[in-house]
Amino acid sequence: GAVVSQHPSWVICKSGTSVKIECRSLDFQATTMFWYRQFPKQSLMLMATSNEGSKATYEQGVEKDKFLINHASLTLSTLTVTSAHPEDSSFYICSAQQQSTDTQYFGPGTRLTVL
Amino acid sequence: AQSVSQHNHHVILSEAASLELGCNYSYGGTVNLFWYVQYPGQHLQLLLKYFSGDPLVKGIKGFEAEFIKSKFSFNLRKPSVQWSDTAEYFCAVTGPSGGGADGLTFGKGTHLIIQP
Repeated sequence: GAVVSQHPSWVICKSGTSVKIECRSLDFQATTMFWYRQFPKQSLMLMATSNEGSKATYEQGVEKDKFLINHASLTLSTLTVTSAHPEDSSFYICSAQQQSTDTQYFGPGTRLTVL
Repeated sequence: AQSVSQHNHHVILSEAASLELGCNYSYGGTVNLFWYVQYPGQHLQLLLKYFSGDPLVKGIKGFEAEFIKSKFSFNLRKPSVQWSDTAEYFCAVTGPSGGGADGLTFGKGTHLIIQP
């Protein structure tokens, strides 16, 4: 149980384009999901908290207009990187909060490369 | 703001050796503590967690961790490691609001290599 998937697992895009990443909780409902970013050989940094049916909460320094988050259902959150630039290249990881255990379960991540 | 420090960035051990990975956090209020493991090419998996109660918690694969509030520590231990324990280990904390749906603050991770 407690499986979280992400799609796509990797994506390459041109500078200036937008990319959408999906995060799904497969066997539980998640009112809250989180988006993290991991730079090479570094730890995960929380970008934003995604709440079903309401606006996301962004961490300090994260541009909400650049990283659009939508949490339209209890099993799906999406992160759209708008007008992507090479510095947005990174590993994006989502997690879903399982309410019954107060524990976050992580997706496999999405490798974004912006050319 | 909460911060988490992991003392060892790289650890190399031989099989059957004992393991202890250090983790300290900064906030003194109510926190939830976690250890996650990331095996090569795989996603983060929960090893164990502490919310309250017995400060010695047992997780999967023979791992355990001890919460020492006075030291703001949550060290991970395993009495006898195996080659398959080679992975990246992350300590993480939620808070300071103390739980619920809080984002995790991660340490920088410890890269553990077990030599056969």
